[in-house]
Amino acid sequence: AQKITQTQPGMFVQEKEAVTLDCTYDTSDPSYGLFWYKQPSSGEMIFLIYQGSYDQQNATEGRYSLNFQKARKSANLVISASQLGDSAMYFCAMRERSNQGGKLIFGQGTELSVKP
Amino acid sequence: GEEVAQTPKHLVRGEGQKAKLYCAPIKGHSYVFWYQQVLKNEFKFLISFQNENVFDETGMPKERFSAKCLPNSPCSLEIQATKLEDSAVYFCASSQPPGAGNTIYFGEGSWLTVV
Repeated sequence: AQKITQTQPGMFVQEKEAVTLDCTYDTSDPSYGLFWYKQPSSGEMIFLIYQGSYDQQNATEGRYSLNFQKARKSANLVISASQLGDSAMYFCAMRERSNQGGKLIFGQGTELSVKP
Repeated sequence: GEEVAQTPKHLVRGEGQKAKLYCAPIKGHSYVFWYQQVLKNEFKFLISFQNENVFDETGMPKERFSAKCLPNSPCSLEIQATKLEDSAVYFCASSQPPGAGNTIYFGEGSWLTVV
């Protein structure tokens, strides 16, 4: 069963507008972390934001915020005031505390294109 | 160091040749992970280490792939007798033990092309 699902293969957004990238997850582990990474065309993996399963508040990092809805098992990434440099692949990932070695499990990715 | 360092950045091998990739994790990180990414889509987990011990090798094609993390040496991922389908970007990542806020940091990846 897919543990991390990103249902949007591609998204477009106008420069300076906000965009939401969807991510749902499935786990029975009460302790887990959710991550978003950005992968530009150059290929490196850039950590954006982290949300712990016990965190009471939604995580924010600059223009990035994570809309964490635990009951719905969703962890959507919101990018405010999009910039051309935000065009990239975005991956949602989960790390379960009980999972041997705490490896990350990735979603399929969403390709974001920011239009000028 | 403050970043995960992977070498080489690019590697071209003829089918059947050996390929060896290296990774120096961030200083103080006890967990190392190897992932394979084909065509910028799916990340396939290969293997993880806790210090020099294999922690999880459920993703490794064991007949041709091997990996080590020895003390005072970079970690390595070796592919014997490469095949065309091994062409991919291989990412190494490191972290502290799983727990609140323990981000997994990635290296820039090693691009392997098998011709």
